Amino acid sequence: DSGVTQTPKHLITATGQRVTLRCSPRSGDLSVYWYQQSLDQGLQFLIQYYNGEERAKGNILERFSAQQFPDLHSELNLSSLELGDSALYFCASRNTGSYGYTFGSGTRLTVV
Amino acid sequence: TQLLEQSPQFLSIQEGENLTVYCNSSSVFSSLQWYRQEPGEGPVLLVTVVTGGEVKKLKRLTFQFGDARKDSSLHITAAQPGDTGLYLCAGVAGYALNFGKGTSLLVTP
Repeated sequence: DSGVTQTPKHLITATGQRVTLRCSPRSGDLSVYWYQQSLDQGLQFLIQYYNGEERAKGNILERFSAQQFPDLHSELNLSSLELGDSALYFCASRNTGSYGYTFGSGTRLTVV
Repeated sequence: TQLLEQSPQFLSIQEGENLTVYCNSSSVFSSLQWYRQEPGEGPVLLVTVVTGGEVKKLKRLTFQFGDARKDSSLHITAAQPGDTGLYLCAGVAGYALNFGKGTSLLVTP
């Protein structure tokens, strides 16, 4: 157990639908990062939050959004889903002053 | 455009062999990290290298950071089946880690 909890572990949904992925960071970590992993693109950075505020954006589509709540858990919202959104979505957290990221086990999203 | 290029993409070897995987970039990084990912799990940090020319050893794994801080290598001595996995290098660009596409290693008994 890495200390980063992601739910659900698997999600199957239809095109056009909206889903919410949830992440609880490791205790004490203020930074949360979301990544998308697909076979052809590898791990792609989506967005970062630090202590409730958006800090950086990567290759995140406009159909996707995220937020970090006062208790530091984060949610990634994916809407108007397309087949190509099928991927593994990872959340990672980091302690200020530490180099390394701690990843959760991911959510496997399948859009049918 | 991938900031970090890893090679080889795939590697299949027998138990006991040595191997080296490479991570190259045209950009300078303040640090590079190596992660290992197993199927169905998230990447797990193996090591962070910070100083140009730095060499770090983790049991049978040796990590090197290039003098110019643009490249890194991972050498595994006497590979074991438990070393099987996806090896990812990553460097900070802006606020977040950017990852290479990884080297998928299979070690057979």
